[in-house]
Amino acid sequence: AQSVAQPEDQVNVAEGNPLTVKCTYSVSGNPYLFWYVQYPNRGLQFLLKYITGDNLVKGSYGFEAEFNKSQTSFHLKKPSALVSDSALYFCAVRDGKGGSQGNLIFGKGTKLSVKP
Amino acid sequence: GAGVSQTPSNKVTEKGKYVELRCDPISGHTALYWYRQSLGQGPEFLIYFQGTGAADDSGLPNDRFFAVRPEGSVSTLKIQRTERGDSAVYLCASSLISAGSYEQYFGPGTRLTVT
Repeated sequence: AQSVAQPEDQVNVAEGNPLTVKCTYSVSGNPYLFWYVQYPNRGLQFLLKYITGDNLVKGSYGFEAEFNKSQTSFHLKKPSALVSDSALYFCAVRDGKGGSQGNLIFGKGTKLSVKP
Repeated sequence: GAGVSQTPSNKVTEKGKYVELRCDPISGHTALYWYRQSLGQGPEFLIYFQGTGAADDSGLPNDRFFAVRPEGSVSTLKIQRTERGDSAVYLCASSLISAGSYEQYFGPGTRLTVT
């Protein structure tokens, strides 16, 4: 069965410091991995994805994520956090069967709090 | 351009009543997904449409839940005999069916409260 684990309910970072939000996954085939961000009372916004190729993927708002196949991880990173990055972050996975379509399995989410 | 829209934004209903939730996907997106998000949890898959047909409805929790997409665009999620446990935010997402397009775009959700 496919699953996603986000081991931290909350991550606290000072503005200007680097941030990491952790994600590990389990999937039977090749993983397709995604990060989404959710601001209060708003829908999920797509940040970035890994499908194939370079293990380091770059996305919106300066975020990046590194795919590590041996550790089955896809941690979200940003070199310098902003207060406006404070939000709820979700990691999602699906297997590569079905091509570009298929339902996503989401983690429980990690609340990121960036303090000035 | 316009994103995914969902109506109503909030719905309060009494236990046992019937409700319909509407999703209007991004124009040209042929794939449409419904998810349900309970408090403190990530979204959980309910059903997925390619065009007019349900390609995967394995996430529907029971036969009280049903969804349609008769013309391949707007979709309606229907819940019969609502229960308090159905209270959640219902999210709709759409995506293109094309090579290189894998991400789903989400609407703002409908918050359903069953009293």
